[in-house]
Amino acid sequence: NAGVTQTPKFRILKIGQSMTLQCTQDMNHNYMYWYRQDPGMGLKLIYYSVGAGITDKGEVPNGYNVSRSTTEDFPLRLELAAPSQTSVYFCASRGQGAGQPQHFGDGTRLSIL
Amino acid sequence: ELKVEQNPLFLSMQEGKNYTIYCNYSTTSDRLYWYRQDPGKSLESLFVLLSNGAVKQEGRLMASLDTKARLSTLHITAAVHDLSATYFCAVDLYSTGNQFYFGTGTSLTVIP
Repeated sequence: NAGVTQTPKFRILKIGQSMTLQCTQDMNHNYMYWYRQDPGMGLKLIYYSVGAGITDKGEVPNGYNVSRSTTEDFPLRLELAAPSQTSVYFCASRGQGAGQPQHFGDGTRLSIL
Repeated sequence: ELKVEQNPLFLSMQEGKNYTIYCNYSTTSDRLYWYRQDPGKSLESLFVLLSNGAVKQEGRLMASLDTKARLSTLHITAAVHDLSATYFCAVDLYSTGNQFYFGTGTSLTVIP
């Protein structure tokens, strides 16, 4: 059971570089989410999607972009990386219907120097 | 804006003792989730509580939900070292497009 797969697991970027964090799920879930977790903190929602072709901003969307061309994939793009974007990024998905918990990927640990 | 607050933020307890973690939220919701996160790992779903008065138990952990008080509790019975982790509660609001709002987490350390 693959579940939610994130790549890469670790990455170091220089200030101003761009990159895409990949997230794919094999559970046919409609809902997908991107969070960031800063050290010792909870999760902050960056973007989410309720289905292919539909995305919406969360609490902290600035500096990020997403797309959802398929049900399975929900990539997160960082444009012009800044030190403030150093964090652990988690992708999650959930099925439709009330009370479905989110299933999380293993995270991407990103450092921007 | 929905606020989800947990207390305590840090908890150090001895093995064999009981304790309760509290999760308060600011807007009406009848869907409350508890997750566990081990250091450097991802989040694992523990409990889903879907109605007022709901109670779920798994091993030494028991979660409950009081939607009128906007309060959920996670009770730990006879703690063991393996329960050391960070515990998060989260609330799901249908009205906001199914966004999840997470609490700040409670870091639990169980000491011998």
